[in-house]
Amino acid sequence: GQQLNQSPQSMFIQEGEDVSMNCTSSSIFNTWLWYKQDPGEGPVLLIALYKAGELTSNGRLTAQFGITRKDSFLNISASIPSDVGIYFCAGQLDSNYQLIWGAGTKLIIKP
Amino acid sequence: ETGVTQSPTHLIKTRGQQVTLRCSSQSGHNTVSWYQQALGQGPQFIFQYYREEENGRGNFPPRFSGLQFPNYSSELNVNALELDDSALYLCASSFGQDSYEQYFGPGTRLTVT
Repeated sequence: GQQLNQSPQSMFIQEGEDVSMNCTSSSIFNTWLWYKQDPGEGPVLLIALYKAGELTSNGRLTAQFGITRKDSFLNISASIPSDVGIYFCAGQLDSNYQLIWGAGTKLIIKP
Repeated sequence: ETGVTQSPTHLIKTRGQQVTLRCSSQSGHNTVSWYQQALGQGPQFIFQYYREEENGRGNFPPRFSGLQFPNYSSELNVNALELDDSALYLCASSFGQDSYEQYFGPGTRLTVT
């Protein structure tokens, strides 16, 4: 089946650092979504991207839809303790309503 | 605006039993999608309902079935439970079958023993 490769699997960062994570695939996607999931909760939509090359921000978060339509990136600037959680990318293939999900990037802030 | 709600929060069942999970969509949303999320994994798409009709299905066997009601709430039914069915079951609602901006409920944690 279709797969999204999300990296890194986990990140240990200092508060105040910038964070980058990405998702790649061998398939072309029409839509990219980035979600954050806290323990015991459902994923929360952060950013939605609909066009190749699109760059969208939501506060300290910025995401980009790759030009090749096979990848997407999420950056978090000046990380704070509440950024801790698991970040998922999800993509929608052409002519298929199904969202394909990455395995997640776990963000941990060093004490 | 009311968010997506799911019930029950937690459930323990025995192998071979049947289970029904429930979801109330966000107000104004007419599409519901169900996902299974195993520990440490991303959600896996089970199926989607749009205006009471199944609108797409992932790679899950027929013992996973669903319903959507006129008020757009939904049920997920799983028959003949297996140990591997233990997971967090997530419901997401959206407006329109073409919308990918899905809003999730908190999930139902199902444990099969």
